[in-house]
Amino acid sequence: SAVISQKPSRDICQRGTSLTIQCQVDSQVTMMFWYRQQPGQSLTLIATANQGSEATYESGFVIDKFPISRPNLTFSTLTVSNMSPEDSSIYLCSVYPGPYNEQFFGPGTRLTVL
Amino acid sequence: TQLLEQSPQFLSIQEGENLTVYCNSSSVFSSLQWYRQEPGEGPVLLVTVVTGGEVKKLKRLTFQFGDARKDSSLHITAAQPGDTGLYLCAGARNAGNMLTFGGGTRLMVKP
Repeated sequence: SAVISQKPSRDICQRGTSLTIQCQVDSQVTMMFWYRQQPGQSLTLIATANQGSEATYESGFVIDKFPISRPNLTFSTLTVSNMSPEDSSIYLCSVYPGPYNEQFFGPGTRLTVL
Repeated sequence: TQLLEQSPQFLSIQEGENLTVYCNSSSVFSSLQWYRQEPGEGPVLLVTVVTGGEVKKLKRLTFQFGDARKDSSLHITAAQPGDTGLYLCAGARNAGNMLTFGGGTRLMVKP
């Protein structure tokens, strides 16, 4: 398993601003993932962040809106840019150290956009 | 359209009752996981199943992987309020592939 922390745990932001979410892992991992979880719903994958390469975005998510950094094997950031109320969600990072594709998740960042 | 269909979406039961959550697909998965998520936290891995027909037990929770590896179930015996949460199934088509999550089952166990 892996221990994952996220900062901030929650934030309330104004429309049009940007927020950067940090994800720190206690061990080196190749693949890190960013998910969005809208209220009462399941998880939707935003992008996969591999160290040393550009993030791979899923359909419906673009780099200009959700830029991702992955400077090393234990850290990643996700920025939610030019926020609108529709971006209000929980944002989760996860890592993939397991042999059977098991993922371990951070506690999430609860974002509210006014 | 969800590749993995979970049912029911919501379940509210009394303490001591039994329940089963289903995760179904038309696709074959190489592995399937079940997670539980409590408010304010990220999903926590409960179990991974990889062999068709496999049954795993975790205290009062019993997980089964279908023979054809297209479906799975989670059975909880004598549910307790501490079982309350969002249960998610997630499958991988092949090793190294991304996980596909089901829509989730929100369980509430009333004391």
